[in-house]
Amino acid sequence: EDQVTQSPEALRLQEGESSSLNCSYTVSGLRGLFWYRQDPGKGPEFLFTLYSAGEEKEKERLKATLTKKESFLHITAPKPEDSATYLCAVQGTSGTYKYIFGTGTRLKVLA
Amino acid sequence: GAVVSQHPSRVICKSGTSVKIECRSLDFQATTMFWYRQFPKQSLMLMATSNEGSKATYEQGVEKDKFLINHASLTLSTLTVTSAHPEDSSFYICSAPPGTLNEKLFFGSGTQLSVL
Repeated sequence: EDQVTQSPEALRLQEGESSSLNCSYTVSGLRGLFWYRQDPGKGPEFLFTLYSAGEEKEKERLKATLTKKESFLHITAPKPEDSATYLCAVQGTSGTYKYIFGTGTRLKVLA
Repeated sequence: GAVVSQHPSRVICKSGTSVKIECRSLDFQATTMFWYRQFPKQSLMLMATSNEGSKATYEQGVEKDKFLINHASLTLSTLTVTSAHPEDSSFYICSAPPGTLNEKLFFGSGTQLSVL
C-alpha cells in the first residue's frame, strides 16, 4: 500500500533560520511526488512536482529534492510569510491516478 | 494560471438537510476531478474521483448514496452531502489536473461544512 510520512509534525523557526522538511514514501512505483503549501482554511497551493531520484526544483526560498525513498523541502532564510502547512503527496504506478497525501508539517516562522 | 473555483466557502445547515458544493475549473477542461475531506490538523483523505460523463469512483468506506457526485460538464463537478449529520461536518476540497494526471493538481479553496 502506498504510504507517505512527513516529519516533523510541527516546526518553529526564527526568521532567517534555514531548515528542511522530510517526506518519506513507500510506493510500488513512483509516478510523481508533489509538494503543496496550505494556509489555514484554504485549499493547498501547488509548489513542485518531482519525478525521478536526483531531481531538484527551486522556487524563491524553497528547494525540493528527491531520492528513491524520500524527499526534502529545504527552506532557506525563511520569512514569517512562509508560515503554513507543507504537504507532500505521491502518485504511484498502481494503475490509478490517486494522490496519497502525508499529514503535513506545520511551519511557524517567527519574526 | 489555471484556477479551480469552489463554492460555497462556508455553509452551516441543520441536521437532515442536503448541501451542494460546486467545483469549477475556470480556464481549463477537467475530465477528472477529485474530492477530498480534511479534518483539523489531518491530511487530505480522498473521497471519490469524479469522471465527466460517467459514474464517480468512491474510495472504500465512503457512502456513495450519502455523498452524491455529479460531473455534468468538463468544467463542473458537484458534491451533494445528503441528509447531513453533525459527523459530516468537515472541510471539503475539490481538485483538478490542468494537464496530465501525473503533472499536478490545482485545488479549490475548500468548503467548511458545519452541521448543527
